[in-house]
Amino acid sequence: GENVEQHPSTLSVQEGDSAVIKCTYSDSASNYFPWYKQELGKRPQLIIDIRSNVGEKKDQRIAVTLNKTAKHFSLHITETQPEDSAVYFCAASSYNNNDMRFGAGTRLTVKP
Amino acid sequence: DTAVSQTPKYLVTQMGNDKSIKCEQNLGHDTMYWYKQDSKKFLKIMFSYNNKELIINETVPNRFSPKSPDKAHLNLHINSLELGDSAVYFCASSQAITSGNTIYFGEGSWLTVV
Repeated sequence: GENVEQHPSTLSVQEGDSAVIKCTYSDSASNYFPWYKQELGKRPQLIIDIRSNVGEKKDQRIAVTLNKTAKHFSLHITETQPEDSAVYFCAASSYNNNDMRFGAGTRLTVKP
Repeated sequence: DTAVSQTPKYLVTQMGNDKSIKCEQNLGHDTMYWYKQDSKKFLKIMFSYNNKELIINETVPNRFSPKSPDKAHLNLHINSLELGDSAVYFCASSQAITSGNTIYFGEGSWLTVV
């Protein structure tokens, strides 16, 4: 089955700096890669996703890149703000099954 | 109009008890899941149902028994609760295969076993 590795486990940045979180996956059949943000005491919520037919996707301050050959994908947050502080999860799944596997999460802290 | 709703939100119970968590989705999705999130925040899939049929059953103790009376509901029953069962349990749902499997989570059920 799919195995998703996520780094770093914790990340602290100064407000206004960029943050990058990286994930690797093992199953070459995986073709859908969402990112979730989980604030303290809340549910994980989708913030951006990418499918395997594209290499990059942007939504305002958030971007995700995908390298299918190397089986890794990354989340980039620019101009970070304190409200970006949360736990971020990457995930991977394929159209062939309903099994979405999550990375271990990255706790991002943005210092004012 | 919560899309994925689960009850109860908080549950404190003694070891050895049996408890249930209920989940309902009004998104018209075909697939529902139970995920467990432990104190280290790992999100691990427990079960997945597609149109009331079990399709994923991870290595979960058989004290955990999911039940799906229809495709909008997936309940989780836990027998003989143990201290290690303390966690947040998230119900979730998604469309069928062709829509890319975006998963929508419920608000979570905080289970504490004492």
